[in-house]
Amino acid sequence: DIVMTQSPDSLAVSLGERATINCKSSQSVLYSSNDKNYLAWHQQKPGQPPKLLIYWASTREYGVPDRFSGSGSGTDFTLTISSLQAEDVAVYYCQQYYSTPETFGQGTKVEIK
Amino acid sequence: EVQLVESGGGLVQPGRSLRLSCAASGFTFDDYAMKWVRQVPGKGLEWVSGISWNSDTIDYADSVKGRFTVSRDNARNSLYLQMNSLRAEDTALYYCAKAGCGGTRCYINYWGQGTLVTVSS
Repeated sequence: DIVMTQSPDSLAVSLGERATINCKSSQSVLYSSNDKNYLAWHQQKPGQPPKLLIYWASTREYGVPDRFSGSGSGTDFTLTISSLQAEDVAVYYCQQYYSTPETFGQGTKVEIK
Repeated sequence: EVQLVESGGGLVQPGRSLRLSCAASGFTFDDYAMKWVRQVPGKGLEWVSGISWNSDTIDYADSVKGRFTVSRDNARNSLYLQMNSLRAEDTALYYCAKAGCGGTRCYINYWGQGTLVTVSS
């Protein structure tokens, strides 16, 4: 199984400041045949289901604000919130869909400092 | 608007069975793979199962293999999860999720609200 490890577990950032979440996979999720990283980021606000933010490691889902961006390749990935807003308080999960069982990171809780 | 509405959750005794349903609308159901993901309240996300658009590819987590069966009825725009021999550790909120592609090796782009399954005597 591919193990997904996020860091940090929690993060407190001032409004308007940058938040950075890292995700490391225990093996590459880059498929050489199509040069795509099978990595997604989901946001889960309290009491709500998750919501897709980023897929193929760096493609922003339609309607997601452009302050959210994803980067990385192979085994190391980053989700960046360029200017944290109050509505971004949530738990963020990375997920690999390269192979089954699909696996999620443990989650990173983002709060306002 | 994509809608995924789960039903069938509830309180069930260990060893018993339960069948979850997911009614899909707002998209062409038989074009997309579907998945089940569960979450113990207050904890992280665990992928349970995935099924391709035409049911040719079906996968399960090891924790449920041999006990759970996923299926879909494209004529009814519905996804199902038959859960047998339930255990206390199956207690969780079960989400129905739509993939962004027809194959199972694809990201989830929509999530339902979830249905709670509690396994307890």
